[in-house]
Amino acid sequence: ILNVEQSPQSLHVQEGDSTNFTCSFPSSNFYALHWYRWETAKSPEALFVMTLNGDEKKKGRISATLNTKEGYSYLYIKGSQPEDSATYLCASLQGDDKIIFGKGTRLHILP
Amino acid sequence: DTGVSQNPRHKITKRGQNVTFRCDPISEHNRLYWYRQTLGQGPEFLTYFQNEAQLEKSRLLSDRFSAERPKGSFSTLEIQRTEQGDSAMYLCAASQISYGYTFGSGTRLTVV
Repeated sequence: ILNVEQSPQSLHVQEGDSTNFTCSFPSSNFYALHWYRWETAKSPEALFVMTLNGDEKKKGRISATLNTKEGYSYLYIKGSQPEDSATYLCASLQGDDKIIFGKGTRLHILP
Repeated sequence: DTGVSQNPRHKITKRGQNVTFRCDPISEHNRLYWYRQTLGQGPEFLTYFQNEAQLEKSRLLSDRFSAERPKGSFSTLEIQRTEQGDSAMYLCAASQISYGYTFGSGTRLTVV
């Protein structure tokens, strides 16, 4: 049974502070790891797709790392802004071509 | 415009009624997925198509649920004899290759 875990479930961060959260996924039969940003009433927006162990991706103030051997990925946000408030979903694509999502980390940026 | 359209955006139905949702991906999307998202959960996989072939169906999908993708273009998800537990956001996602999934805006179903 595939299990993608994200922690923490919820996070409150002061505006301007940096933060990070974790996604853990099965390391066997791994194919790719996806990060999405999901705002209420909108569809999830793809942030990163990572495949190789040691991958690091960056998009503005957001970056992500990948460790496929131990089965985890970190998402970092530098200098949080109010518009960063959203749910951040990670999803694992295994060799059977099915993508499984974690429950997300709900990020709240406090003014 | 994400390139994947879902209709309707919202649906309120009485328990026991049948409902059908539609997903229209762009033509290059040969893979199409249906997910269900309930409060506090991430999207749960329901089923997926490679062109017109339904390749996998989750055990979450009871026999009241059926999905089709005739001609490998748009897809429909039908729920028969709806129950209150079916209330959720139903998301469609499409992909051309295994990298990167484009989601539609979802259909929010409320069963009263």
